[in-house]
Amino acid sequence: KQEVTQIPAALSVPEGENLVLNCSFTDSAIYNLQWFRQDPGKGLTSLLLIQSSQREQTSGRLNASLDKSSGRSTLYIAASQPGDSATYLCAVRSNSGYALNFGKGTSLLVTP
Amino acid sequence: NAGVTQTPKFRVLKTGQSMTLLCAQDMNHEYMYWYRQDPGMGLRLIHYSVGEGTTAKGEVPDGYNVSRLKKQNFLLGLESAAPSQTSVYFCASTSDRRGTEAFFGQGTRLTVV
Repeated sequence: KQEVTQIPAALSVPEGENLVLNCSFTDSAIYNLQWFRQDPGKGLTSLLLIQSSQREQTSGRLNASLDKSSGRSTLYIAASQPGDSATYLCAVRSNSGYALNFGKGTSLLVTP
Repeated sequence: NAGVTQTPKFRVLKTGQSMTLLCAQDMNHEYMYWYRQDPGMGLRLIHYSVGEGTTAKGEVPDGYNVSRLKKQNFLLGLESAAPSQTSVYFCASTSDRRGTEAFFGQGTRLTVV
């Protein structure tokens, strides 16, 4: 069974800092990895999708990398803003299953 | 663009009552999923469907039933609600199994008292 772990569980940074969120998975046989953002009481918003053949994807201040062989992905957020405060979830679609396997998320607080 | 729509958004049930959660997607996706999200547990898959007329069990299927009579709709039923089913329920859809993005609804917050 695919296990997805996100570290740290919570993170607090001052505005303007660059930061890295980590995601690791146990089975490297994946189709893709997707990063989501979840605001309190809200649904999941897709941020970036990385295919298994890709090394990274970028969207604005966000950059996600994937090292499939080592079972790791990182989400880099540049010049953080208070509006980035949310929970960030990593999800993996394995070759052996139909669904996304989620980590428990990193709760990010960016203080002014 | 509606995407994935869940109905209702909030509900309070008494123990033993039944209810159906509706998920509708307008993207012509083949695959649809129901997840539940609980504090400290992350998102766990309840049931899923790989096409109209098909359903399959996920990680935590007990106490739930599903139906996919139409491609655009995926229903999640609770026949006899229990307090342990208090959770936030999310529906998701994808166009196929392999490389495409998953889209999620806004969630249904269910409380069973």
